[in-house]
Amino acid sequence: QSVLTQPPSASGTPGQRVTISCSGSSSNIGINTVNWYQQLPGTAPKLLIYNNNQRPSGVPDRFSGSKSGTSASLAISGLQSEDEADYDCAAWDVTLDAYVFGTGTQVTVL
Amino acid sequence: QVQLVESGGGVVQPGRSLRLSCAASGFTFSSYGMHWVRQAPGKGLEWVAVISNDVSNKHYGDSVKGRFTISRDNSRNTLHLQMNSLRVEDTAVYYCGKDWGSSGYFGVDYWGQGTLVTVSS
Repeated sequence: QSVLTQPPSASGTPGQRVTISCSGSSSNIGINTVNWYQQLPGTAPKLLIYNNNQRPSGVPDRFSGSKSGTSASLAISGLQSEDEADYDCAAWDVTLDAYVFGTGTQVTVL
Repeated sequence: QVQLVESGGGVVQPGRSLRLSCAASGFTFSSYGMHWVRQAPGKGLEWVAVISNDVSNKHYGDSVKGRFTISRDNSRNTLHLQMNSLRVEDTAVYYCGKDWGSSGYFGVDYWGQGTLVTVSS
């Protein structure tokens, strides 16, 4: 089972700001960097944020990441219809010796 | 540009074996760790295994430990996953992923399109 906990769903109207939390522990988020992925329906995941708050080339600056202690957050500002997708956090866990994913959050644009 | 192309998926009976491959291009394959991640129908992402760039470190998820083996051929830019003693619960889309570091401990930055493995009698 997932060791990183996310809310199952989040929603907002176009233009709003949505925040997704990712709660871990001292053996994963507390000691390693966090990555965030976006998965559109029927497609492979795509890296959205790496190293806690870095955006790969091509990712809009509407997406931002942060980390504090054993938790991390992904914020989507200026929500757009094409942001409707599943979002997952992930980090290396030094106790499990495993790359652990979050429980996933489905974002709906109302 | 980075390209990862998985192959080898299909339908297999419980208890049988299957070998997945991932052909990599567009980057220096021998410099980066590589992962396998799977996604069962309608479910979330589940990490399967990782191998460091120089093959010195390999780690596996608990659900596949002892049954699956990850390997790589740096001369052919290819990643493999040997899956033995397959179970119905191994049914999933299997993704190959490139790590953004050499050790495999930083996480996946590029993903393949996935290959479907169905375990059924």
